[in-house]
Amino acid sequence: AQKITQTQPGMFVQEKEAVTLDCTYDTSDQSYGLFWYKQPSSGEMIFLIYQGSYDEQNATEGRYSLNFQKARKSANLVISASQLGDSAMYFCAMREAGGYSGNTPLVFGKGTRLSVIA
Amino acid sequence: ETGVTQSPTHLIKTRGQQVTLRCSSQSGHNTVSWYQQALGQGPQFIFQYYREEENGRGNFPPRFSGLQFPNYSSELNVNALELDDSALYLCASSPDSIEQYFGPGTRLTVT
Repeated sequence: AQKITQTQPGMFVQEKEAVTLDCTYDTSDQSYGLFWYKQPSSGEMIFLIYQGSYDEQNATEGRYSLNFQKARKSANLVISASQLGDSAMYFCAMREAGGYSGNTPLVFGKGTRLSVIA
Repeated sequence: ETGVTQSPTHLIKTRGQQVTLRCSSQSGHNTVSWYQQALGQGPQFIFQYYREEENGRGNFPPRFSGLQFPNYSSELNVNALELDDSALYLCASSPDSIEQYFGPGTRLTVT
């Protein structure tokens, strides 16, 4: 079974507008962590934001926020005030069994390609 | 800038050959993980080392092997290369915290 599902292969957004990238996950663990990464054409994975399964408030990091709906098992990324430099691949990922340890691997979705239009 | 470096940046090999990819992470990052990212896909977990011992492995055959050294560098070795091994290989290190710090990757092409 697919652990992380990103249903939007590609998205377009106008500069300065907000955009939501969808992510649903599947786990039977009570403790897990959810991550979003940005991957520009250079290939490096850039950490954007993290949400722990026990965190009651949605995570925010600057223009990035994570809309965490635990009952629906969704962890959508919201980017506000889009910039041309936001054009990249975006990956949702999950770490099970603890979520707070560096010792469990990340499971990634297939990604969403975001294009910001001037 | 994550402090994680990988070499080489690009590599072209022939089917059947062997390849070694290298990663250097920050001091104190006891965990290093390797991922394979095929074109148009998300990264897939290959294996992970903690304090120089393998402590997790994904669904990859034994011809994928690795080492982690005391100086926080590590290697990914792939024997008997196949065409499907063509991918971006990402190294990620962690100081036992939430984040994994990724390197820029090595793009391997097998012809």
